[in-house]
Amino acid sequence: DVKVTQSSRYLVKRTGEKVFLECVQDMDHENMFWYRQDPGLGLRLIYFSYDVKMKEKGDIPEGYSVSREKKERFSLILESASTNQTSMYLCASTDRGGAYNEQFFGPGTRLTVL
Amino acid sequence: AQSVTQPDIHITVSEGASLELRCNYSYGATPYLFWYVQSPGQGLQLLLKYFSGDTLVQGIKGFEAEFKRSQSSFNLRKPSVHWSDAAEYFCAVGSMTTDSWGKLQFGAGTQVVVTP
Repeated sequence: DVKVTQSSRYLVKRTGEKVFLECVQDMDHENMFWYRQDPGLGLRLIYFSYDVKMKEKGDIPEGYSVSREKKERFSLILESASTNQTSMYLCASTDRGGAYNEQFFGPGTRLTVL
Repeated sequence: AQSVTQPDIHITVSEGASLELRCNYSYGATPYLFWYVQSPGQGLQLLLKYFSGDTLVQGIKGFEAEFKRSQSSFNLRKPSVHWSDAAEYFCAVGSMTTDSWGKLQFGAGTQVVVTP
């Protein structure tokens, strides 16, 4: 059974803290994505990666960075967390081949920044 | 600019009744269209997808969707709703451009509530 796992389901951090969100997939997928989900806004792409050490900005990269040192792992980093980064964060992966491939999603991490 | 619109933020439907969720898109290239469902506390799961061919697409859990190019729509339907269909539904659009990398544009979502 294919699987995308995220390190935490719930996370509470303080303003200014450095936050790491981890995502691991076991499907040997090339492409991995980080989304932010907010009510009324749907999913918005923060960053994606199409290979190890490769990354591309999505629609809302400001305040975030990413790291992909191994194929199966894609990390989202909030260098200095702010209250407007309180949100649900979803990780997804897909095989190489473009948009017609299904994206597989993790269960999400609900981050609260106080 | 590419966009995906789900006009209904919230829909309430009785168990056993039919359900239709609307999705409209604005896309320059030939679109690839998807419907995903997010059950409470879960990640998103693919219901169905359309790339080409027959414009009526069958998916999992008894859902179907119809692609209408003239209306730029990809509406999701289910003839008889079950209580377990209560969830949030997302329409998404992608394209097979050289730099797409499988990126999708998601709509804002429609929350479906099922009443007894």
